[in-house]
Amino acid sequence: DIQMTQSPSSLSASVGDRVTITCQASQDISNYLNWYQQKPGKAPKLLIYDASNLETGVPSRFSGSGSGTDFTFTISSLQPEDIATYYCQQYDNLSFGGGTKVEIK
Amino acid sequence: QVQLVQSGAEVKKPGASVKVSCKVSGYTLTELSMHWVRQAPGKGLEWMGGFDPEDGETIYAQKFQGRVTMTEDTSTDTAYMELSSLRSEDTAVYYCATDFTAIHAFDIWGQGTMVTVSS
Repeated sequence: DIQMTQSPSSLSASVGDRVTITCQASQDISNYLNWYQQKPGKAPKLLIYDASNLETGVPSRFSGSGSGTDFTFTISSLQPEDIATYYCQQYDNLSFGGGTKVEIK
Repeated sequence: QVQLVQSGAEVKKPGASVKVSCKVSGYTLTELSMHWVRQAPGKGLEWMGGFDPEDGETIYAQKFQGRVTMTEDTSTDTAYMELSSLRSEDTAVYYCATDFTAIHAFDIWGQGTMVTVSS
């Protein structure tokens, strides 16, 4: 099975900071990599699909890049409403990364 | 607008089974590939299984094979996930989710169903 290693597991940043999360696949998954945002008590929300495509309605401060085994998710300017846990997911066998909890410093 | 509406919270004893439902509104279940994802308290997301449109079959994560059954009632546009031989580690929120726009991602989610396993 394909394993997804997501890092860091948590981070603290100031409003306006650039935030970067990485996800590494144990084997080549092409661009079949998605990113989700989950706020406490809520279902996950799709932000990025196919590594770099922004889901409709998602603010442009969110972006994704990468292919093969190494992927990056970026929030260009952290906002208070971005406080959440973010997960990567590969769409080959559908497993998720361990998550990154983003907090405001 | 497509919505997935799940059944309410459940409390079960160890060894019992639970069946969670997910009703589709605004679309037809036969046009969707339904999946199930769970999340234990304070933990991450775990894909359990779902319908693979390329094979036309339901596939299950190896961890749950033999214990989980996913079915559909097309007459009511309702999907079901039944988990048997429950243990305390199965205490979690269970979500149904679908790849509505066929973008290889779960773009529509149910609201979640809390299942508590406790003696």
